[in-house]
Amino acid sequence: NAGVMQNPRHLVRRRGQEARLRCSPMKGHSHVYWYRQLPEEGLKFMVYLQKENIIDESGMPKERFSAEFPKEGPSILRIQQVVRGDSAAYFCASSPFSGGTDTQYFGPGTRLTVL
Amino acid sequence: EDKVVQSPLSLVVHEGDTVTLNCSYEVTNFRSLLWYKQEKKAPTFLFMLTSSGIEKKSGRLSSILDKKELFSILNITATQTGDSAVYLCAVLSGGSNYKLTFGKGTLLTVNP
Repeated sequence: NAGVMQNPRHLVRRRGQEARLRCSPMKGHSHVYWYRQLPEEGLKFMVYLQKENIIDESGMPKERFSAEFPKEGPSILRIQQVVRGDSAAYFCASSPFSGGTDTQYFGPGTRLTVL
Repeated sequence: EDKVVQSPLSLVVHEGDTVTLNCSYEVTNFRSLLWYKQEKKAPTFLFMLTSSGIEKKSGRLSSILDKKELFSILNITATQTGDSAVYLCAVLSGGSNYKLTFGKGTLLTVNP
């Protein structure tokens, strides 16, 4: 059973470009969570999605950031007009159910560098 | 705002030593505490603790939760170089049953 897949693993963008980060959850998991880890900081919750629904985006910056989890295909975290402060590791996690006593299984992360 | 604090931030030991990593928390409506090991890739799940005083054990690793004093410890006995990693503590709390709050982690380096 493959784990959570994220790609690309490393992404370099220049200021003003768009970044698209992809996450394929574990087989059978329909809940996806995105976290951001800034340098010297802990992982911080960004958004929780189920198929075709955004459940909680309370951790997302109000502008330039969006996320989706379509019926088919991976979840996408999209950052428009990137700035240097967006440089971070972005982790995706998936679970078979929503929270409770279930754990979230993490992907290897995408390390975004903005030049 | 929910807060999770880990200590020490970094630790260097020799193979065979025993280490204790600490995690304290201040959260609303605590549900559970989780420990992860993060090497140069995905954080991998170690333990989930919900009840006070019940030790969870996996090989050389063990963990216990104290809900009265609001902390948890992760013990690693007979450390090996492969234990070198960042150990993350996270808490599930509040009205959300999915939003993990993480500490900054403890960087453990085990030297041969």
